[in-house]
Amino acid sequence: DTAVSQTPKYLVTQMGNDKSIKCEQNLGHDTMYWYKQDSKKFLKIMFSYNNKELIINETVPNRFSPKSPDKAHLNLHINSLELGDSAVYFCASTGGERPNSPLHFGNGTRLTVT
Amino acid sequence: KNEVEQSPQNLTAQEGEFITINCSYSVGISALHWLQQHPGGGIVSLFMLSSGKKKHGRLIATINIQEKHSSLHITASHPRDSAVYICAVTGNQFYFGTGTSLTVIP
Repeated sequence: DTAVSQTPKYLVTQMGNDKSIKCEQNLGHDTMYWYKQDSKKFLKIMFSYNNKELIINETVPNRFSPKSPDKAHLNLHINSLELGDSAVYFCASTGGERPNSPLHFGNGTRLTVT
Repeated sequence: KNEVEQSPQNLTAQEGEFITINCSYSVGISALHWLQQHPGGGIVSLFMLSSGKKKHGRLIATINIQEKHSSLHITASHPRDSAVYICAVTGNQFYFGTGTSLTVIP
């Protein structure tokens, strides 16, 4: 009965391809996030989204786009994949509109671009 | 310079030792989070606090808003505590520390 689930767990693809990572939470949370963890294990927020507002980290290339079909889902689409996109991507959610409630993380998606 | 600084970066301790991990931040915050990431990769939220002190089992987290500093303490450390501990702060957005890699040796 996973609270925040991501699929796939592993994703290996070639440069130039377009791929998506799915995220679903069954906690009834209002706010969802995407984070990127690089090879040095440094976490960085990419997007935060609730049903009112999408906040984009300005350092994120516009090849990355979040798509939220409903409150329980926030998928990550990546176009024209590059080698530097290889990382672990984490989805997370919180219960409030502001990020001041406990975070619940998915298990991560390890993306490898060859 | 990172908005959130953690120390130490790496820490090795003998089982049973008292451990302290420090976090300093330079931005205005509404809350501070301590996260734990095990070698398998999953991330778990340990604490969220905006003032004072919280305790959960052998873990204690404190925050001093005036000094912009938080500490995570582990009492009677155990090998299963071996993980990366990440400090994160939330204000207008999230900022993460670079993590502290803890290894507890039996």
